[in-house]
Amino acid sequence: AAGVIQSPRHLIKEKRETATLKCYPIPRHDTVYWYQQGPGQDPQFLISFYEKMQSDKGSIPDRFSAQQFSDYHSELNMSSLELGDSALYFCASSLYSVGTAYGYTFGSGTRLTVV
Amino acid sequence: KNEVEQSPQNLTAQEGEFITINCSYSVGISALHWLQQHPGGGIVSLFMLSSGKKKHGRLIATINIQEKHSSLHITASHPRDSAVYICAGQETSGSRLTFGEGTQLTVNP
Repeated sequence: AAGVIQSPRHLIKEKRETATLKCYPIPRHDTVYWYQQGPGQDPQFLISFYEKMQSDKGSIPDRFSAQQFSDYHSELNMSSLELGDSALYFCASSLYSVGTAYGYTFGSGTRLTVV
Repeated sequence: KNEVEQSPQNLTAQEGEFITINCSYSVGISALHWLQQHPGGGIVSLFMLSSGKKKHGRLIATINIQEKHSSLHITASHPRDSAVYICAGQETSGSRLTFGEGTQLTVNP
């Protein structure tokens, strides 16, 4: 069965550079979530999109932006990268219906290392 | 602020033992997810519960809505079950997950 696809799997960037992470949800899922997991930490919610509109916003820095496109894939854009941005970035997708998220599925994550 | 607490933080068991991981959550959480994460790896969704009990193979998850408590049980544990198990609450007002700190499970042969 198709899963949530994230690319790239690994990314190394220098400080002050920009990075773009991509997430392709499960077919027919309409909601995409982004989470950040720092070393030894719990995943923290960044932002989510439902039907191409931002649906919820968490602890996402102003240097980051994201969007969901017409094919439901999402991109997380990160600018002016800092060493502290080094983390595993997870994307998840679900189908939102009757106030509940169904089929919540995580991607394998993108490991970003800022040097 | 929605909170999710799980225990224990670390658990070591011998192969074949019955394992229980517990999770308590606060008001504002409508569903509970149990997730598995291997070292350096992605997150796998095991269960999503809003009531009752679910079973998949050797894994059983239960939830008590009144007590705001959930448990994950592993029967006949095996070394390949070694991983971090995470309890995550899904907020009533939306779909974001609030994660517990995880339980590092090690099953020795």
